[in-house]
Amino acid sequence: DTAVSQTPKYLVTQMGNDKSIKCEQNLGHDTMYWYKQDSKKFLKIMFSYNNKELIINETVPNRFSPKSPDKAHLNLHINSLELGDSAVYFCASSHLTGQETQYFGPGTRLLVL
Amino acid sequence: AQKVTQAQTEISVVEKEDVTLDCVYETRDTTYYLFWYKQPPSGELVFLIRRNSFDEQNEISGRYSWNFQKSTSSFNFTITASQVVDSAVYFCALKRASGGGADGLTFGKGTHLIIQP
Repeated sequence: DTAVSQTPKYLVTQMGNDKSIKCEQNLGHDTMYWYKQDSKKFLKIMFSYNNKELIINETVPNRFSPKSPDKAHLNLHINSLELGDSAVYFCASSHLTGQETQYFGPGTRLLVL
Repeated sequence: AQKVTQAQTEISVVEKEDVTLDCVYETRDTTYYLFWYKQPPSGELVFLIRRNSFDEQNEISGRYSWNFQKSTSSFNFTITASQVVDSAVYFCALKRASGGGADGLTFGKGTHLIIQP
């Protein structure tokens, strides 16, 4: 009965490769997010989607492309991986109404070699 | 622009001591939401509390309590009678209300709390 799930949990890959991280939520939320946590544990919003529509796209390289096939899924595809992309990526979801709490997935630890 | 400052990078206390984690925020919005999340060594982000800007009542949940003061733009978190299981990184976060519900959270840099047995 996991609320927000991500796969894979760990991802080790070579520079230049393309990889995807999947996120699914079963909370009935209509808004989903991707956050990046760097090596110093700083968390920063990357994208938010509402009803499959991109709402926020922070200053993220266009090598990162989110895709939302439906309200319950938000995947993150990364092209031409670079060393600096190594981080923990968290998916989150919430209802759209402003005060709703964002619930986070367990995170995907990406290591680019 | 919004900003959240957690000035305490790391705090170490002995079990059963009380400890307060500070959070100071900056925003031009009149309506906003404040949050605390816990990140234990296992890495997940666990929601602890949400507080609306128009509700300055303090909250207590078991050994946890939160003190929200708009006059000083602070939202501090106190753990009473700390336990080893409280060891984690704690994040304070801010979300504006005016921009719509899909805004991301603005996080502080986190406070690493170490509870020694």
